[in-house]
Amino acid sequence: AQSVTQLGSHVSVSEGALVLLRCNYSSSVPPYLFWYVQYPNQGLQLLLKYTSAATLVKGINGFEAEFKKSETSFHLTKPSAHMSDAAEYFCAVSGSGGYNKLIFGAGTRLAVHP
Amino acid sequence: KAGVTQTPRYLIKTRGQQVTLSCSPISGHRSVSWYQQTPGQGLQFLFEYFSETQRNKGNFPGRFSGRQFSNSRSEMNVSTLELGDSALYLCASSLGLESDTQYFGPGTRLTVL
Repeated sequence: AQSVTQLGSHVSVSEGALVLLRCNYSSSVPPYLFWYVQYPNQGLQLLLKYTSAATLVKGINGFEAEFKKSETSFHLTKPSAHMSDAAEYFCAVSGSGGYNKLIFGAGTRLAVHP
Repeated sequence: KAGVTQTPRYLIKTRGQQVTLSCSPISGHRSVSWYQQTPGQGLQFLFEYFSETQRNKGNFPGRFSGRQFSNSRSEMNVSTLELGDSALYLCASSLGLESDTQYFGPGTRLTVL
């Protein structure tokens, strides 16, 4: 079975500081990994996805994530936080023959303060 | 291209009633998946439809059902509503291939009183 663990339900950073959101996965098959962002009263927007082409994945809005098989991790980073990055972030995994069945982590709420 | 649309955006029902939610995928997408989002359980997969067939199903009771039409639009139905069914229901569409990006709609907020 596949699962995702996001460490830290709440993360707070200063504007301009590094953003690091942690995600660890469990999968018996090579996984497909995703990061989504959700703004209040909206659906989910894809930030980036890993499909084994490259371990360092660049996404939208300056975010990137690195796939580390040895650590079963897919942490999300952004060098410099903006106020507009305040939102909830979800890591998700798929790939055990479940096609579009995404298994989500519990989410991390990112707060950015001036 | 227009994004995924969901109707209605907000819905209030009482216990015991049934409800139908609608989802129109991005043009050309043949797969529609449904998810339930609650504060307690987070985001959970309900089911996926591809070319009018249910291809995958999550661990939800039979009160939750869905269907897909020939134009790929999908509906989900919840019968005999319970208070615990209050949630944001999200629909996502994709081309339907493994690892495809799923594009989410804005969701339908269902409140059960």
